[in-house]
Amino acid sequence: DTGVSQDPRHKITKRGQNVTFRCDPISEHNRLYWYRQTLGQGPEFLTYFQNEAQLEKSRLLSDRFSAERPKGSFSTLEIQRTEQGDSAMYLCASSFEGLYGYTFGSGTRLTVV
Amino acid sequence: KQEVTQIPAALSVPEGENLVLNCSFTDSAIYNLQWFRQDPGKGLTSLLLIQSSQREQTSGRLNASLDKSSGRSTLYIAASQPGDSATYLCAVNDAGNNRKLIWGLGTSLAVNP
Repeated sequence: DTGVSQDPRHKITKRGQNVTFRCDPISEHNRLYWYRQTLGQGPEFLTYFQNEAQLEKSRLLSDRFSAERPKGSFSTLEIQRTEQGDSAMYLCASSFEGLYGYTFGSGTRLTVV
Repeated sequence: KQEVTQIPAALSVPEGENLVLNCSFTDSAIYNLQWFRQDPGKGLTSLLLIQSSQREQTSGRLNASLDKSSGRSTLYIAASQPGDSATYLCAVNDAGNNRKLIWGLGTSLAVNP
């Protein structure tokens, strides 16, 4: 297991298009988190899963955002009808029960033009 | 509500100096505290994890301490090198927040040759 993997690394899309990102966590980790980070800011929590259940979703997340984690393994984050304000780094992390530290992926940088 | 503050926001030092980065948090009910490094446009790399029952952790030239009662952690970097230039982020694993990470805004470090 080589850590948390995110795909793609970079995505440029036109405003109004839909995009989907994928995250593959460390296999032993039952928790998976999505964060968003803009320049000069700390990561902003979006949502997290424990196994396949989505336990919490930030109020900052509009209805255009949806995340899934089928079978409790990889996760996808979809943004519909992208806006320029969605441009950010989208980070995925995994942990075991949130107790023993978090491991982050390299992130997906989204640019909406 | 847990809040995390990092001081200073930016630091510029000559190569070879020992330096201290500070992190403070308002609620001592934490599971652990984690220090991360972030290079420009990249994801987050975990440096050190300190469990709430521990006082410090060391890895190479890095030493992190935790004083839970006073709500403080420090990251000590010995004999700094230009390759240490990055943003250093402190994140608290908040017991009162379902074990989500609460982030500081980071310290941007520049080590000059």
